[in-house]
Amino acid sequence: GQNIDQPTEMTATEGAIVQINCTYQTSGFNGLFWYQQHAGEAPTFLSYNVLDGLEEKGRFSSFLSRSKGYSYLLLKELQMKDSASYLCAVMDSNYQLIWGAGTKLIIKP
Amino acid sequence: GAVVSQHPSWVICKSGTSVKIECRSLDFQATTMFWYRQFPKQSLMLMATSNEGSKATYEQGVEKDKFLINHASLTLSTLTVTSAHPEDSSFYICSARLGGDSYEQYFGPGTRLTVT
Repeated sequence: GQNIDQPTEMTATEGAIVQINCTYQTSGFNGLFWYQQHAGEAPTFLSYNVLDGLEEKGRFSSFLSRSKGYSYLLLKELQMKDSASYLCAVMDSNYQLIWGAGTKLIIKP
Repeated sequence: GAVVSQHPSWVICKSGTSVKIECRSLDFQATTMFWYRQFPKQSLMLMATSNEGSKATYEQGVEKDKFLINHASLTLSTLTVTSAHPEDSSFYICSARLGGDSYEQYFGPGTRLTVT
């Protein structure tokens, strides 16, 4: 079966760095997405990785290792507004997105 | 660019009535649109995939006669929840894909449906 695993909840301190991990087992792979979703709102796109390595975009970076079926989202200089759920999604061989359950990130002052 | 709108943003209806939700791509043509449902504290659940001009493909367990999807143009898809029941109360989110080499999905703001 297809499976995406990510921690249910994480807590971090304002100004710190946090890494949210995602492991996946899917039928085929056509890229991995990270989305941010604030409570009561729709997801917004953060990053897309299809090749191994680190993609940096401002305070957010995303890493992919296809051989390990592993990705992480790294958030630096955390701000209170970063409190949200972070969704990992993998595009399978049929170009369908398989979604993880999301990681709720709580930022404390 | 790549803005997707949904209407209404929230709706309350009585049990047994039908509700239509519209999803529009405002500044691009979407060859494929997706409808998701999200219950509180749960992840997105894909309900169906619709391509313009063809019948929607429903995920297993989603009743196609209850959740009617119409994708009549490249900028509009509608989801009609027929004979709604309280258990249909949820957050319904649509997304649209540009097509071609782009697989990123752009999400609408969502519609919160409450069935009383």
